Amino acid sequence: QKEVEQDPGPLSVPEGAIVSLNCTYSNSAFQYFMWYRQYSRKGPELLMYTYSSGNKEDGRFTAQVDKSSKYISLFIRDSQPSDSATYLCAMRATGGFKTIFGAGTRLFVKA
Amino acid sequence: ETGVTQSPTHLIKTRGQQVTLRCSSQSGHNTVSWYQQALGQGPQFIFQYYREEENGRGNFPPRFSGLQFPNYSSELNVNALELDDSALYLCASSTDSGRAYEQFFGPGTRLTVL
Repeated sequence: QKEVEQDPGPLSVPEGAIVSLNCTYSNSAFQYFMWYRQYSRKGPELLMYTYSSGNKEDGRFTAQVDKSSKYISLFIRDSQPSDSATYLCAMRATGGFKTIFGAGTRLFVKA
Repeated sequence: ETGVTQSPTHLIKTRGQQVTLRCSSQSGHNTVSWYQQALGQGPQFIFQYYREEENGRGNFPPRFSGLQFPNYSSELNVNALELDDSALYLCASSTDSGRAYEQFFGPGTRLTVL
């Protein structure tokens, strides 16, 4: 079993839709939960991070962490064609030296 | 502020050869991590360098090795290349502060092994 599971998609939605992206994990030591966006032929860029459980909002993006269920989510409101990219969840233990990534979900937002 | 840069952009090698990939970290960052990203997969951690010392390694064989220089730039060396080594190699820089989770990635080097 992988430490982090993420549905690779692809996920195709119309412009303006609310997008929900999810990951599950098995390692209870993870305390830092990140979402990266990766455009084609580019390196990942950090979108949001959450420490421990709870919600965090930044503009059209909301990150949620449920440590009791070992489940994290990223919501994108009013999705735009420019949001079309691969979204990677990532996790790290406190004091740990490595970040574990999910496989990434490919998102297409159609105009 | 200069971002993370990597060279070369693309590389084609044959099985059994050796390759060196280079990374310049973001200004003010003293930690560099290297990742391998196969097509359709997420990045897999290879190793991390902090102040010129390897301080963490993932599940990669010893033929993957690295260096970090006093200016915090870094190299990834892969010996005895195998076909499965074909991937995008990413480096990411960060600080040793409380924001160590915040990694800044370069654009990657696309390695093809024939």
